[in-house]
Amino acid sequence: GAGVSQSPSNKVTEKGKDVELRCDPISGHTALYWYRQSLGQGLEFLIYFQGNSAPDKSGLPSDRFSAERTGGSVSTLTIQRTQQEDSAVYLCASSWSGGNTEAFFGQGTRLTVV
Amino acid sequence: TQLLEQSPQFLSIQEGENLTVYCNSSSVFSSLQWYRQEPGEGPVLLVTVVTGGEVKKLKRLTFQFGDARKDSSLHITAAQTGDTGLYLCAGGLYNTDKLIFGTGTRLQVFP
Repeated sequence: GAGVSQSPSNKVTEKGKDVELRCDPISGHTALYWYRQSLGQGLEFLIYFQGNSAPDKSGLPSDRFSAERTGGSVSTLTIQRTQQEDSAVYLCASSWSGGNTEAFFGQGTRLTVV
Repeated sequence: TQLLEQSPQFLSIQEGENLTVYCNSSSVFSSLQWYRQEPGEGPVLLVTVVTGGEVKKLKRLTFQFGDARKDSSLHITAAQTGDTGLYLCAGGLYNTDKLIFGTGTRLQVFP
């Protein structure tokens, strides 16, 4: 596609349920990031995929969070046993080759845990 | 530990005023990017600076990369209501290859 696509755009879930958030990066981009943004705040780094290298998971806030990237393309962020503090906008970005290249963002998934 | 600190965190000004946003770190970055985010959207790149001491101008916006490649500033001349948004600096680290975002500056420009 022309840009980074995220789905769903909005997700309301009950506390304790698992959720999966999807990101379709721009074709050919080797780097993929997940960030979390709470209302009015900056971007909190979650995880970084670069090509075939082991992902940088240093930003994942707990073991309830996991992410995978299949075939170097689509990525799924999974949150198990959701808590109310997980409510935020989850943003995905991709870039040609990581740190020095422009990151293109999706519009995000707004997650609300009730 | 926040690698990139931005100041001020919030800024509320009237149209026509000038402002400067700062992005500071104790780490050296190979490049520094500035993004603007509008409500309901993802951040969009404004500029990338790659050389220490570099100054780039984008209409009323002036970006500067510090000589030591640890800091950057964004200056807006004669702010307009359309400049309202969240401004984020982001740096590429030499040793990790991932993009680190700053804490953000929320700008509100009133008519």
